[in-house]
Amino acid sequence: EAGVVQSPRYKIIEKKQPVAFWCNPISGHNTLYWYLQNLGQGPELLIRYENEEAVDDSQLPKDRFSAERLKGVDSTLKIQPAELGDSAVYLCASSSEGTDTQYFGPGTRLTVL
Amino acid sequence: KNEVEQSPQNLTAQEGEFITINCSYSVGISALHWLQQHPGGGIVSLFMLSSGKKKHGRLIATINIQEKHSSLHITASHPRDSAVYICAVDLGNQFYFGTGTSLTVIP
Repeated sequence: EAGVVQSPRYKIIEKKQPVAFWCNPISGHNTLYWYLQNLGQGPELLIRYENEEAVDDSQLPKDRFSAERLKGVDSTLKIQPAELGDSAVYLCASSSEGTDTQYFGPGTRLTVL
Repeated sequence: KNEVEQSPQNLTAQEGEFITINCSYSVGISALHWLQQHPGGGIVSLFMLSSGKKKHGRLIATINIQEKHSSLHITASHPRDSAVYICAVDLGNQFYFGTGTSLTVIP
């Protein structure tokens, strides 16, 4: 069974540029999570989707971050414009309905110069 | 000082043995997760606990909120259980991770 797929794996951009990350969850998983992980720290939840509905986006900095999951399958996380402090690993995870098990993707490492 | 302490750091067991991994934490939490990572693989969340005990197949996880302690048990261990097991406490919007326990089960 294929795991959670994320792309790109690495991204280097200059500050003030836009950037987008893509996540394809495990087939059949209706819950999708985006996390931000700074070096040496644990993941912080940015947004959680149940199908196409964002049910928890309280930690998403909405002035520059946006996310969508239009068809309730894959999802895109966007930052516009990026700032130096956005350099981090962005993790996507998914889980199936009624379970606690989250499957994490490999992450996208963003470096903002 | 780490907010989350795990023990042991490394564990080698014979196939069939009963295995226990311990986790102690010092902060107030909303939930505790046990995570598994196979070599070269992604992280899988095995359990999320806020109280009591959960069982999934040969895996059992318990938590004592008053004592700030959790244990992960593996019954009838198998070589495919060889992985790193990580305890993570959930403060609502942030995780603190333990250092992990590297388990090797020998056939």
